Amino acid sequence: NAGVTQTPKFRILKIGQSMTLQCTQDMNHNYMYWYRQDPGMGLKLIYYSVGAGITDKGEVPNGYNVSRSTTEDFPLRLELAAPSQTSVYFCASRPPWEDTQYFGPGTRLTVL
Amino acid sequence: KQEVTQIPAALSVPEGENLVLNCSFTDSAIYNLQWFRQDPGKGLTSLLLIQSSQREQTSGRLNASLDKSSGRSTLYIAASQPGDSATYLCRLREGGADGLTFGKGTHLIIQP
Repeated sequence: NAGVTQTPKFRILKIGQSMTLQCTQDMNHNYMYWYRQDPGMGLKLIYYSVGAGITDKGEVPNGYNVSRSTTEDFPLRLELAAPSQTSVYFCASRPPWEDTQYFGPGTRLTVL
Repeated sequence: KQEVTQIPAALSVPEGENLVLNCSFTDSAIYNLQWFRQDPGKGLTSLLLIQSSQREQTSGRLNASLDKSSGRSTLYIAASQPGDSATYLCRLREGGADGLTFGKGTHLIIQP
């Protein structure tokens, strides 16, 4: 199993540009999460999903959108990039009967 | 709203020392508490999970304790090694799929 994979690893965007951060897991986990981690801070939940077709907002959803058309994929969309979205983004997944989350390696995004 | 505090924010000790990392929380109505390790540029890796009914968990040189009544958990690392250098985060599990709150982490450096 590859686990949770994220692409790209790094990206630089200009203000106002759009992009999609990809997240895929091959463990057939129902629950998937998107977090952002700013320097010296904990992880903040952006969006989460409990299954295909179901998504919900987390603590900091403004400026982001998600979709969950399959169990495996949970892409995160930034429509109008702003400098405040400069961060490291982590995707995670878990099965509903287990509390341990499995994390991807992260995407480091810089908005200039 | 649950608040999670990790003290110290950073710690540097010589190799071989035993050390304790602290995690405190404001609401004791938790299901479990988990300790993660994060290496630079990487995602989070689970270390130990303590259920609310448990007092401690051990894995190798690591021991995690939980005192819900006082809102505290500690991660004890015995005979520290340079390979233990990483950021250690605690995460609380409350109700709901999104009931996961992370601390900001303790950045640990073990000097050879």
